[in-house]
Amino acid sequence: SQQGEEDPQALSIQEGENATMNCSYKTSINNLQWYRQNSGRGLVHLILIRSNEREKHSGRLRVTLDTSKKSSSLLITASRAADTASYFCATDATNTGFQKLVFGTGTRLLVSP
Amino acid sequence: NAGVTQTPKFQVLKTGQSMTLQCAQDMNHNSMYWYRQDPGMGLRLIYYSASEGTTDKGEVPNGYNVSRLNKREFSLRLESAAPSQTSVYFCASSEAGTGYPLHFGNGTRLTVT
Repeated sequence: SQQGEEDPQALSIQEGENATMNCSYKTSINNLQWYRQNSGRGLVHLILIRSNEREKHSGRLRVTLDTSKKSSSLLITASRAADTASYFCATDATNTGFQKLVFGTGTRLLVSP
Repeated sequence: NAGVTQTPKFQVLKTGQSMTLQCAQDMNHNSMYWYRQDPGMGLRLIYYSASEGTTDKGEVPNGYNVSRLNKREFSLRLESAAPSQTSVYFCASSEAGTGYPLHFGNGTRLTVT
């Protein structure tokens, strides 16, 4: 069962523009993570934001979390062609026991030179 | 530092054949996971191992078995492959559960004919 859903499914922008991707989820979470996947490769972790945090930054990445709306956004500023990839959000849940990450279906980002 | 290593990278099986996908991590992580990735479905958890000596079913365990051989290695076995198991399989590890980033291997692309 999908916990996170990314929006849009695909995004095409020019180099230098900002890219914003959104993630909505269904149940209460402990934390939310964003990953990047280049074509033919494994996923690479970008940022982890905990449920008591509202915003985190890492280089050109900015992640926000709104637990009241059960949503998160990933902003990539001043995008580069090398940012072309699929981006996934992943959430756990506040159930008891060992937590597992559930991934969304991803946003495909194309950055053109 | 290799991170998470998966073998093989590619495999073609006939329906009914069996095979084992190997995964090893060198980061001294406690938790390991097997995911499958299908177009439009995101990543779905097959099995996980919270710590050495334990394994549990994920979202889509039917048709698979796993072995946590030691702290480093976590293998996935298909006893009788079916075309529905055509997918890309990813192994991942984390320090201890979902409060930590997952580190992914580069995947095994499996085709069952």
